[in-house]
Amino acid sequence: ELKVEQNPLFLSMQEGKNYTIYCNYSTTSDRLYWYRQDPGKSLESLFVLLSNGAVKQEGRLMASLDTKARLSTLHITAAVHDLSATYFCAVKRTQGGSEKLVFGKGTKLTVNP
Amino acid sequence: DTAVSQTPKYLVTQMGNDKSIKCEQNLGHDTMYWYKQDSKKFLKIMFSYNNKELIINETVPNRFSPKSPDKAHLNLHINSLELGDSAVYFCASSHLGRSHNEQFFGPGTRLTVL
Repeated sequence: ELKVEQNPLFLSMQEGKNYTIYCNYSTTSDRLYWYRQDPGKSLESLFVLLSNGAVKQEGRLMASLDTKARLSTLHITAAVHDLSATYFCAVKRTQGGSEKLVFGKGTKLTVNP
Repeated sequence: DTAVSQTPKYLVTQMGNDKSIKCEQNLGHDTMYWYKQDSKKFLKIMFSYNNKELIINETVPNRFSPKSPDKAHLNLHINSLELGDSAVYFCASSHLGRSHNEQFFGPGTRLTVL
């Protein structure tokens, strides 16, 4: 069974600082997603990582994927308050011809002024 | 607007009642999903339909019955509601076979069972 672990689950950081969220998964997969969820809102897709060594950047967020280590990271550079949200990684699992996403428990990020 | 929409946004009901949540997508996707997000924000897939055919059915009580009248709609009917059914239910859609197969989520339906 595919397990997806994120850490930390809670992250409180100051504006201007850098930090990394980690996502480990237990079985081989060729696709990993990062989503953002604001309180009381839906999930917004941030990144889709398709291959080993993939790196994607959008603003202050950068995501990378190491399929051999089964590890993805979401790096936050010079955090600002607007980045406060819960971030989920999700790993694709193929099952009998269908695909599903298995989500990590989420990392609740609070950026303090 | 192209999107995944759900109704209702909030649903408050008594134990034992039956209720339905509706989902529609106009993204031209062929696959739709139902997820449950519990009070600890943990997201778990419940069902998936591809071209109106059920392809994923996780371990969900049979009080939950999805129905897909066409590719653009996936409804969720819940019988005999229990306290533990209180959660936020998200519908999502994607297109199987596309390299990204990115799932787009609806706004969620917050179900409260009293």
